[in-house]
Amino acid sequence: GAVVSQHPSWVICKSGTSVKIECRSLDFQATTMFWYRQFPKQSLMLMATSNEGSKATYEQGVEKDKFLINHASLTLSTLTVTSAHPEDSSFYICSARDSGRAGIGYEQYFGPGTRLTVT
Amino acid sequence: GQNIDQPTEMTATEGAIVQINCTYQTSGFNGLFWYQQHAGEAPTFLSYNVLDGLEEKGRFSSFLSRSKGYSYLLLKELQMKDSASYLCAVRDFQTGANNLFFGTGTRLTVIP
Repeated sequence: GAVVSQHPSWVICKSGTSVKIECRSLDFQATTMFWYRQFPKQSLMLMATSNEGSKATYEQGVEKDKFLINHASLTLSTLTVTSAHPEDSSFYICSARDSGRAGIGYEQYFGPGTRLTVT
Repeated sequence: GQNIDQPTEMTATEGAIVQINCTYQTSGFNGLFWYQQHAGEAPTFLSYNVLDGLEEKGRFSSFLSRSKGYSYLLLKELQMKDSASYLCAVRDFQTGANNLFFGTGTRLTVIP
């Protein structure tokens, strides 16, 4: 089956530093990936849509200069949280859409998530 | 925009049947998904509905009524491992990328 990996699985950083999270589709190509954020006991909130070879599309209220997204290849998207603050502590989950199965209902596959703690 | 509502919490007994409801309002409906999520883990796909009716997959079934903006997930023969959050998500074609928008999730606790 389609597998999506994320690295790191958890990270602790100091306030003011930047953190990069990688999302990889391991056995399929993904022209579109999605980044979600989930606070404790809340649902997933879509942050942005990452498009291979072009700029990401951010949801309303998400600062594009703070959450930098790069989708440089068909199997890798990165999310960089710049100048992280304690309120950025959250569970970040990516998903990838299988380009070869476009239109099929469940073509979006989720990564295992990255837990970010900013101290 | 999207407006997706689910009950926050439910409790059910092992071996029983539980129904988790989801109502939605969206401008460009293009399918409804149910995901299971255990604490600290990513969501895993359970079911997908785009046409009205019931989809059955083993112990799990999902129903959709597009005219009513309503879906439910039915879990039969509950097991302790079914304790998890169940997320209803709607796909919206008007967002350009057919994005998924999630409800707040229903935390199901299965008791002996």
